[in-house]
Amino acid sequence: EAQVTQNPRYLITVTGKKLTVTCSQNMNHEYMSWYRQDPGLGLRQIYYSMNVEVTDKGDVPEGYKVSRKEKRNFPLILESPSPNQTSLYFCASSPRASLYEQYFGPGTRLTVT
Amino acid sequence: KQEVTQIPAALSVPEGENLVLNCSFTDSAIYNLQWFRQDPGKGLTSLLLIQSSQREQTSGRLNASLDKSSGRSTLYIAASQPGDSATYLCAVRSGAGSYQLTFGKGTKLSVIP
Repeated sequence: EAQVTQNPRYLITVTGKKLTVTCSQNMNHEYMSWYRQDPGLGLRQIYYSMNVEVTDKGDVPEGYKVSRKEKRNFPLILESPSPNQTSLYFCASSPRASLYEQYFGPGTRLTVT
Repeated sequence: KQEVTQIPAALSVPEGENLVLNCSFTDSAIYNLQWFRQDPGKGLTSLLLIQSSQREQTSGRLNASLDKSSGRSTLYIAASQPGDSATYLCAVRSGAGSYQLTFGKGTKLSVIP
């Protein structure tokens, strides 16, 4: 089944403890992206990647890191999480960025205390 | 900077009614526009993608139109059903060279049996 998977689905952590949210797609898509969704603010793009080893900042990249060493994986790294990073995070992928629709993962609900 | 607005923020209709959801964007130089559905606590499901050269797209009971010059799109849902209850989001990609997707905040639809 074609899908985008994220792990973990739920995470509660403390301020400053490094964490990684994994994202994997099995559709051989070139483009992958991370979003966060907050009440009243909607979905905002954090980082995106056009292909392996090619990444760029979205609208809200501060406090996050990404890497794209393999085509299928695009992990999101929070080196020192803070409470304002409490949010619902989505990973997405598409065959090419501009022409095709994006497929979204199920989301990761992160709480930083 | 592109801004996407969706009005109304919430809508409640009786089952069987036809309805229209609105999406407007500030920069008409878009590449494409995509409508999504989001169920509570879940990821986004793509409904329709309209390229900038197209005027409308149809899928089953859904019809999306695009008027690029006026910066508007509508999502028409025919013969609404309780299963259509969800939040509907529109997202705009601004330009062929852009890999960023700008989302509206969504319209929460409730279809009353």
